[in-house]
Amino acid sequence: QKEVEQDPGPLSVPEGAIVSLNCTYSNSAFQYFMWYRQYSRKGPELLMYTYSSGNKEDGRFTAQVDKSSKYISLFIRDSQPSDSATYLCAMSRGGFKTIFGAGTRLFVKA
Amino acid sequence: GAGVSQSPRYKVAKRGQDVALRCDPISGHVSLFWYQQALGQGPEFLTYFQNEAQLDKSGLPSDRFFAERPEGSVSTLKIQRTQQEDSAVYLCASSPPVRDEQYFGPGTRLTVT
Repeated sequence: QKEVEQDPGPLSVPEGAIVSLNCTYSNSAFQYFMWYRQYSRKGPELLMYTYSSGNKEDGRFTAQVDKSSKYISLFIRDSQPSDSATYLCAMSRGGFKTIFGAGTRLFVKA
Repeated sequence: GAGVSQSPRYKVAKRGQDVALRCDPISGHVSLFWYQQALGQGPEFLTYFQNEAQLDKSGLPSDRFFAERPEGSVSTLKIQRTQQEDSAVYLCASSPPVRDEQYFGPGTRLTVT
């Protein structure tokens, strides 16, 4: 079993929809939780960075962390075709070693 | 400012050849990371530097892989005697002092034929 599980999709939604992306994890020592967006043939781009449990909002993006359930989510409101990309969750204990999920491919149809 | 840069962007190597991949981190970032990303997968940790010190190399898949950062800035990932299973995108990331956010370069796509 992998330390971080993420449904690879693909997930296809119409423009304007609310998108929900999720990851589960097994290591209760993880304290820092991140979401990255990766366009084809590009490096990952940091979207959200949170510490411990709770919610964080940034524009159309909301990240949620539920440490009791070992479950994290990213919500995208008013999705746009430009949001079409692979979304990677990532987490660490603090320090340096970051574990990534396999990524979920999202397609937003105009 | 300038982001993380990597070169070459694409590399084709014949099986058995040695390759060297370069990473130029964001100025002032003390931490530098190398990852390997296979097609359809997330990045897998290879190694980590803080300044010139390699603090963790537990992710390097074999002793054919070697990384260095001699002056605490530019880093090179070297793969000796390349094998087909080494074909992947190699990503470099850097992070600022006392922060965990990592900023990634565009990657080097290595194809071993």
